[in-house]
Amino acid sequence: SQQGEEDPQALSIQEGENATMNCSYKTSINNLQWYRQNSGRGLVHLILIRSNEREKHSGRLRVTLDTSKKSSSLLITASRAADTASYFCATGTHAGGTSYGKLTFGQGTILTVHP
Amino acid sequence: GAGVSQSPSNKVTEKGKDVELRCDPISGHTALYWYRQSLGQGLEFLIYFQGNSAPDKSGLPSDRFSAERTGGSVSTLTIQRTQQEDSAVYLCASSPRLAGGQETQYFGPGTRLLVL
Repeated sequence: SQQGEEDPQALSIQEGENATMNCSYKTSINNLQWYRQNSGRGLVHLILIRSNEREKHSGRLRVTLDTSKKSSSLLITASRAADTASYFCATGTHAGGTSYGKLTFGQGTILTVHP
Repeated sequence: GAGVSQSPSNKVTEKGKDVELRCDPISGHTALYWYRQSLGQGLEFLIYFQGNSAPDKSGLPSDRFSAERTGGSVSTLTIQRTQQEDSAVYLCASSPRLAGGQETQYFGPGTRLLVL
């Protein structure tokens, strides 16, 4: 079963607008990562936020994490047509147990940025 | 440096045949992961390796699926007696070490498997 649930499932915006995607998860985590996927192939890592962090920035990306609500958001500012892709959140588990090491992905948000 | 590579890029096979999917991780990465992405199921974890051992095989869908890793490098995912529901993109990733998912995982381009 999927750990994360993302909303919206699809987001369509104009170039220059901001895009916000949300992710919720169920179990305790030690970090949360966001990945991007173009055309249903390989994923590209965007940003990792640890459970003791609340906000992180990388270029036009801003990620927040609220462990009390078990949720995270990814904000892309000043979007470009090239940002069109699917975006996934993924959670890493705490130490202990044989599942240590795997990432559990959300269902993803399909972002379309119109020129 | 070179990224994660996977072969073949695409594979079309007939139901009942066996297939082997190959993953070459980034040199020096000790952890290797296999995921499957199919319509309606999202990205599913299959198995990971730390070195040549696989502590967690719980994600493998059935006993028709197996994976091995040799020399701490190349990994092969084998699907025996393929079924149509095995059709998916199989993604491999590697990371420098296993650290509770705190490591960035570097993904290959995937193998798109179609079972007719």
